[in-house]
Amino acid sequence: GAVVSQHPSWVICKSGTSVKIECRSLDFQATTMFWYRQFPKQSLMLMATSNEGSKATYEQGVEKDKFLINHASLTLSTLTVTSAHPEDSSFYICSARDPGGPISYEQYFGPGTRLTVT
Amino acid sequence: AQSVSQHNHHVILSEAASLELGCNYSYGGTVNLFWYVQYPGQHLQLLLKYFSGDPLVKGIKGFEAEFIKSKFSFNLRKPSVQWSDTAEYFCAVNQSPTDKLIFGTGTRLQVFP
Repeated sequence: GAVVSQHPSWVICKSGTSVKIECRSLDFQATTMFWYRQFPKQSLMLMATSNEGSKATYEQGVEKDKFLINHASLTLSTLTVTSAHPEDSSFYICSARDPGGPISYEQYFGPGTRLTVT
Repeated sequence: AQSVSQHNHHVILSEAASLELGCNYSYGGTVNLFWYVQYPGQHLQLLLKYFSGDPLVKGIKGFEAEFIKSKFSFNLRKPSVQWSDTAEYFCAVNQSPTDKLIFGTGTRLQVFP
């Protein structure tokens, strides 16, 4: 089946620094990737939709200047948390849709990245 | 506003008990429905999905779900749970033709031997 990876799986950074998280589709080309945020014991909240070769579409309430998304290739999307603060600490999950797969609208999820800002 | 509700936040069962987790959504029109499972320390995995056709869908590991359009529901069921089913279960909906998935708040299932 389709595999999505994320790197790093866990990162600790100091307040005010920036952190980049990578999301890769390993065995398919993903024109669309999605970034979610999951707080402890809560559901996934869609942050933005990342489209290859174009600007990301952010959900209401998500600061585009703080959460920079770049989808530079068909297998890689990156999320950069700029000037991170402790309230940005969370679990960030990406997913990718395989347009060539047998089932449309199915998203494949990465394992997530745990961000802790101190 | 579009939303997905999971009324069971935490369910505790003994092995071999039957399971039903509720999921209701608030969309009109055509929807695609999903149940995902997140085992402790692992990433989200698709249990089953409904796009069209038979409203009773069967997924992996003995799970099934029934789409009842008139009730805007997509409840997950399993006749006999196992200890290994302990996990977090998420219902999700997307409304054609968008790709966006809206997730419910999740249900934590604990199964004791």
